[in-house]
Amino acid sequence: NAGVTQTPKFQVLKTGQSMTLQCAQDMNHNSMYWYRQDPGMGLRLIYYSASEGTTDKGEVPNGYNVSRLNKREFSLRLESAAPSQTSVYFCAGEQGNYGYTFGSGTRLTVV
Amino acid sequence: GQQLNQSPQSMFIQEGEDVSMNCTSSSIFNTWLWYKQDPGEGPVLLIALYKAGELTSNGRLTAQFGITRKDSFLNISASIPSDVGIYFCAGQVAFASKLTFGTGTRLQVTL
Repeated sequence: NAGVTQTPKFQVLKTGQSMTLQCAQDMNHNSMYWYRQDPGMGLRLIYYSASEGTTDKGEVPNGYNVSRLNKREFSLRLESAAPSQTSVYFCAGEQGNYGYTFGSGTRLTVV
Repeated sequence: GQQLNQSPQSMFIQEGEDVSMNCTSSSIFNTWLWYKQDPGEGPVLLIALYKAGELTSNGRLTAQFGITRKDSFLNISASIPSDVGIYFCAGQVAFASKLTFGTGTRLQVTL
């Protein structure tokens, strides 16, 4: 049982390049979330999806798009990467009263 | 977006010492959760609290749900090197609703 799986684990992009961060869960979560974590800061919500086919903006959505392809998969896309998007990105699935299960993160550097 | 006030921001302690940290909010939560993030990994759930005044233990960890429902506390007894990491509190208003995270407490343990 993998839980929440994120790919890739590491990525280096040049400014202006695009990429998609993948997240898949096998725990039948309804809601899924994308967070970013910067040094010295907590977790900031980028986008979330309460159910298949729906997505909503979080606290810091600018520069990102998401897609809830099906119940299992929730991807995060950077259309034109900027150095300010250098961060660690976490995907999470909601488990009712047990909070979230997080993936192990994608470490993204934009140069 | 709202983040919970978590203190202290960081702690440097010696192995064997006890640790206390807390989390406060201006609004009421019906569930409090405590997570630990090991270096290079995603946060993992440690303890979940569902009732005002509740005291719950998980090994050397003990957490309490404040009676006002606006705060929560985490204690770690007899710290060991593997306790190193970032500890996050999180509040949840209703079942399966979005979590609000604390800013994190970074714990360092010296031998």
